Amino acid sequence: KQEVTQIPAALSVPEGENLVLNCSFTDSAIYNLQWFRQDPGKGLTSLLLIQSSQREQTSGRLNASLDKSSGRSTLYIAASQPGDSATYLCAVRRGSNYQLIWGAGTKLIIKP
Amino acid sequence: EAQVTQNPRYLITVTGKKLTVTCSQNMNHEYMSWYRQDPGLGLRQIYYSMNVEVTDKGDVPEGYKVSRKEKRNFPLILESPSPNQTSLYFCASSPSPKPVETQYFGPGTRLLVL
Repeated sequence: KQEVTQIPAALSVPEGENLVLNCSFTDSAIYNLQWFRQDPGKGLTSLLLIQSSQREQTSGRLNASLDKSSGRSTLYIAASQPGDSATYLCAVRRGSNYQLIWGAGTKLIIKP
Repeated sequence: EAQVTQNPRYLITVTGKKLTVTCSQNMNHEYMSWYRQDPGLGLRQIYYSMNVEVTDKGDVPEGYKVSRKEKRNFPLILESPSPNQTSLYFCASSPSPKPVETQYFGPGTRLLVL
């Protein structure tokens, strides 16, 4: 059974720092991995999607990597800003119905 | 504006009183899905629909019903709500169920069952 884990559950850093969020999964048979951002009252927004054949994806200050063999993904945020404060979720896509399996998220607080 | 809408956004009800949470998308997407989110847990899929009149169970379907009579709408029905269904619910849609497609999420419905 696929399990997705995100550690730490919460993280607080000063503005301007570069930071890394971690996501691990137990079964490497995945189609892709996605990182989402969750803001209270606003639903979830897809940040980056990495196909199983890819190693990384970049969007602005965000860079996500994928290492299927070790069951790990990281989300790198450069030059963090208070507006980056949110909960970040990772999810892997697998199975005949392309189901998303989710981690519980990392709550990120960027202190001004 | 392309979006997924859910109503109501907040709901307090009592055990056993039937309720429906509506979900609508204006992007002509084939695939729609319902999730619930509980503290400390990842989102868990309740039901999904590959297209009109085609629905299937996700990981936690007990106590829920869905229907897909129109492409744009995918209501979630709780026939007899219980306190363990207190949760944050999300509806999502995507152009198709293919893995390359990302999902678009509604703003969520926070449900409290007393």
